Amino acid sequence: AQTVTQSQPEMSVQEAETVTLSCTYDTSESNYYLFWYKQPPSRQMILVIRQEAYKQQNATENRFSVNFQKAAKSFSLKISDSQLGDTAMYFCAFMKGGNTPLVFGKGTRLSVIA
Amino acid sequence: GAVVSQHPSWVICKSGTSVKIECRSLDFQATTMFWYRQFPKQSLMLMATSNEGSKATYEQGVEKDKFLINHASLTLSTLTVTSAHPEDSSFYICSARDKSFQPQHFGDGTRLSIL
Repeated sequence: AQTVTQSQPEMSVQEAETVTLSCTYDTSESNYYLFWYKQPPSRQMILVIRQEAYKQQNATENRFSVNFQKAAKSFSLKISDSQLGDTAMYFCAFMKGGNTPLVFGKGTRLSVIA
Repeated sequence: GAVVSQHPSWVICKSGTSVKIECRSLDFQATTMFWYRQFPKQSLMLMATSNEGSKATYEQGVEKDKFLINHASLTLSTLTVTSAHPEDSSFYICSARDKSFQPQHFGDGTRLSIL
């Protein structure tokens, strides 16, 4: 079974600074997908960024980028120019190919401080 | 973008009653829907996977008779918590995916409080 580990339960960052959230996973699959979801206090699940395992290039979405290290099974999220609205729980998630469910990590609570 | 509507957003009811939560895909055909449960300050725990027209597949430890899932159409899945008790109080979230297996689209969740 796949597992996703987020080793940082809580983190904080000053507004406008950069922060990196860690995520490692364990799988024997060769083809899979990785995601970062944001859950603000409203508890909506918002997709931040996704990465296909077969792509070597790291995904980027505006201020959000990932560092995908397939051999190390690591998938960290970097948030640049942090904003107060980035304050939320961040979940790393894994999905095998095909019609399979997401497997979530335990989450990292990020606080952006003014 | 794809929208998933979940209703109700918050429900409070007495112990022993049954509660139905609806999850609708508004602008796409949801061949697969997922139901999650989330306790405070914890991650999402998959309860079951339902494919349109088929019986739901429940995760280990989830009581099928307690949590009834119906996915009778390509746009609607329902979760019924039967004879609810205080320990069933939680945040329930649905998500839906179309046949292209694109990322799941989540509903806004339902906060269930059993008194």
